[in-house]
Amino acid sequence: DTEVTQTPKHLVMGMTNKKSLKCEQHMGHRAMYWYKQKAKKPPELMFVYSYEKLSINESVPSRFSPECPNSSLLNLHLHALQPEDSALYLCASSQDAGQGRPDTQYFGPGTRLTVL
Amino acid sequence: EDKVVQSPLSLVVHEGDTVTLNCSYEVTNFRSLLWYKQEKKAPTFLFMLTSSGIEKKSGRLSSILDKKELFSILNITATQTGDSAIYLCAVDSLTGGGNKLTFGTGTQLKVEL
Repeated sequence: DTEVTQTPKHLVMGMTNKKSLKCEQHMGHRAMYWYKQKAKKPPELMFVYSYEKLSINESVPSRFSPECPNSSLLNLHLHALQPEDSALYLCASSQDAGQGRPDTQYFGPGTRLTVL
Repeated sequence: EDKVVQSPLSLVVHEGDTVTLNCSYEVTNFRSLLWYKQEKKAPTFLFMLTSSGIEKKSGRLSSILDKKELFSILNITATQTGDSAIYLCAVDSLTGGGNKLTFGTGTQLKVEL
């Protein structure tokens, strides 16, 4: 089973709203990721969690706040977003074998976010 | 800065044709190169390549890595309309915080009847 699930599938929000995106995996993976993908562009890494600790933040604005409550769950809290934040938000997970070993990331179906 | 370049950017072929997609890269602390297929939503994993010269194969798809020349190719034989998608190449590199995927811009493949 290589399934990563994300909810909701679609989200429309105003610039003053607070919302959250959720991601879940039950593959026993210990690394989880958030990516942002704009139309006709490749995914861009936002955050990496390894063993439930934030290990990479790619200089993402503070209006995006990640949270990893446990090894299976990853949230992305959204507040005061701008219309240019509209995009497909992808979650991924990987085993995180550590010690520089190659690691395959498996992606969820994404949340299509529209900010009005 | 890590860089991954794919070519061509887009390609239109007829069913039954064979296609070759290219990916070149410049990264520090290379760990592996991955190919993904993206249709409407999530990228779907195809291959992970870590060693030069060893072909990975899955049905009509195959891929190989050249770590000396820093490139990889993805071949699709006997193409079908269901192969129409964006094919993404990504390089996994080890940074101070953990592993990081850098994606190329993708090759948009359209297979026509």
